[in-house]
Amino acid sequence: QVQLQGSGPGLVKPSETLSLTCSVSGGSMDRHYWSWIRQSPGKGLEWIGYVYSNGYTNYSPSLKSRVTISIDTSNNHFSLRLRSVTAADTAVYYCARGGSTVETSGVDVWGQGNSVTVSS
Amino acid sequence: SNGLTQPPSVTVSPGQTARITCSGDILSSQFAYWYQQKSGQAPILLIYKDKDRPSGIPERFSASNSGTTVTLTISGVQAEDEADYYCQSSDTTGAYVVFAEGTKLTVL
Repeated sequence: QVQLQGSGPGLVKPSETLSLTCSVSGGSMDRHYWSWIRQSPGKGLEWIGYVYSNGYTNYSPSLKSRVTISIDTSNNHFSLRLRSVTAADTAVYYCARGGSTVETSGVDVWGQGNSVTVSS
Repeated sequence: SNGLTQPPSVTVSPGQTARITCSGDILSSQFAYWYQQKSGQAPILLIYKDKDRPSGIPERFSASNSGTTVTLTISGVQAEDEADYYCQSSDTTGAYVVFAEGTKLTVL
């Protein structure tokens, strides 16, 4: 079955760019939506956005100005870049399959989560 | 508010039935999804398209939609069901995914 493995720095300085990559194994990336979802300490889930297998993206309005999600289907991974981070961006970041309002399968595969702290 | 509302907490005894609601106008036109998140773990999908269960999810988990309220029902609650439960749907435009704030289920 499909498995997702996120990777990236666990500590990012304020005003810098948070970058995470999610490696996909056990299945094809084609014709699927691939999302990033985060969870601040002690809080609920927040959808950041998705990239479709053809490169189409859709972002949360609250983060749109700072987010880029990209995909490389040839190498089976997709990535998140969040610019100009502040302490409010400290969270566990999950990569996931699904997370669109177009598909009806829900977010059916989740990565293990990557904890990112924003601090100098 | 993102348009979806869940109770912060629900408490049940083992063997009882737990019901967790999620309310929002968008639910009358968009599907609801339910996720379970145990402490320190990634969420898992429990219900999709209002009431369908992915393979591997026990039958004691079920859900229904009555217009602007969806309800997750856990029959014969077990200690291992203690977790946070999140409802997910769309925002009012139908373009963006939103999660409700979650319900902490305590099994006492």
